[in-house]
Amino acid sequence: SAVISQKPSRDICQRGTSLTIQCQVDSQVTMMFWYRQQPGQSLTLIATANQGSEATYESGFVIDKFPISRPNLTFSTLTVSNMSPEDSSIYLCSVGTGVNEQFFGPGTRLTVL
Amino acid sequence: KQEVTQIPAALSVPEGENLVLNCSFTDSAIYNLQWFRQDPGKGLTSLLLIQSSQREQTSGRLNASLDKSSGRSTLYIAASQPGDSATYLCAVIGSSASKIIFGSGTRLSIRP
Repeated sequence: SAVISQKPSRDICQRGTSLTIQCQVDSQVTMMFWYRQQPGQSLTLIATANQGSEATYESGFVIDKFPISRPNLTFSTLTVSNMSPEDSSIYLCSVGTGVNEQFFGPGTRLTVL
Repeated sequence: KQEVTQIPAALSVPEGENLVLNCSFTDSAIYNLQWFRQDPGKGLTSLLLIQSSQREQTSGRLNASLDKSSGRSTLYIAASQPGDSATYLCAVIGSSASKIIFGSGTRLSIRP
């Protein structure tokens, strides 16, 4: 298994500002992902964070809005840029193990006013 | 394109009952299937992982089965407790093993 921490756990932000969310894993992992969960909805994959190269974004998500860093095999950041109330969601990072079992962080609850 | 469906969307049962949550998927060429629990406003907790070569997995009061040919998985919860109240999500990883597709979840409420 993997133990994942996220910072901050929650934040309330003003429209037009940016927030960077950190994800730390207790072991080196190859596959790291960022998800968004809008209120009352299931999870939607934003991107796969690749170590040493640009993230791979899913349809509907772009790097300018959600820049991602992955400087090493235990850490990643997701920035939500130029926020609007529609960005209010829980943002989760996850990692995949050797058998592709997924483990999730506790999430970051973002409210944009 | 893989689609994952969970029925029912919500379920309320009295404490002590055994119950079954259902998950169906459209593409049987999956790598594995995983069941999660999510408490309100929290992250996901992994409950059970069933690899494509397996038919079921058990952990305590939980038992998950997988029938790839019919595109179905069930999560059986025995002797339900109020602490089991949460949203339960199933997720599949396709044969490319590159990304996970989630169902919409079943919101379970156990009445004391």
